Amino acid sequence: GAGVSQTPSNKVTEKGKYVELRCDPISGHTALYWYRQSLGQGPEFLIYFQGTGAADDSGLPNDRFFAVRPEGSVSTLKIQRTERGDSAVYLCASSLDGAGDNEQFFGPGTRLTVL
Amino acid sequence: GQQLNQSPQSMFIQEGEDVSMNCTSSSIFNTWLWYKQDPGEGPVLLIALYKAGELTSNGRLTAQFGITRKDSFLNISASIPSDVGIYFCAGQLAGAGSYQLTFGKGTKLSVIP
Repeated sequence: GAGVSQTPSNKVTEKGKYVELRCDPISGHTALYWYRQSLGQGPEFLIYFQGTGAADDSGLPNDRFFAVRPEGSVSTLKIQRTERGDSAVYLCASSLDGAGDNEQFFGPGTRLTVL
Repeated sequence: GQQLNQSPQSMFIQEGEDVSMNCTSSSIFNTWLWYKQDPGEGPVLLIALYKAGELTSNGRLTAQFGITRKDSFLNISASIPSDVGIYFCAGQLAGAGSYQLTFGKGTKLSVIP
């Protein structure tokens, strides 16, 4: 299918390590979003890209979290010095553009476990 | 971060029964959305509402955008086993160049055949 894909599907790491999570949006979608979903909670917004630029990064919890989208397609969420509290499912979504009435299509997520 | 107040937290119903769930917010939104999430999957959009007071149906699903713009409800009629899953409301306040969604904590629906 041509949906949003995320890799890896699962990532187990040790506290203090660095991780990268990848998102491949639907082809042609210029808007890309990252959300974090903790167990038993709804997704929480992290960052929104329009093209290559981060239009809104107000949801990033601290400076250990960083995301890039250098060519306006694939995006990578980077977490430095991981902590146990970072354990969650990281969801990526894309939409045709950033307009409010364009549906955000979600990927299956990457489950991150920090030991 | 902020999460919307969604209730009930979970529901056990008999197949064929109707279901109702709602969502409230302390702040206004100009779009309300309802999603369904199955285990191991991302949320999938069920219904989108763009105007205060709007009532929209999608098959057995009906949702309304509250007139105050601070609440929404979702009804599912004649539930079937495949309705099992977690339902999330989400609000969007488009403006200042951001279209982030604010989600509720979810309603877990179980359908007893």
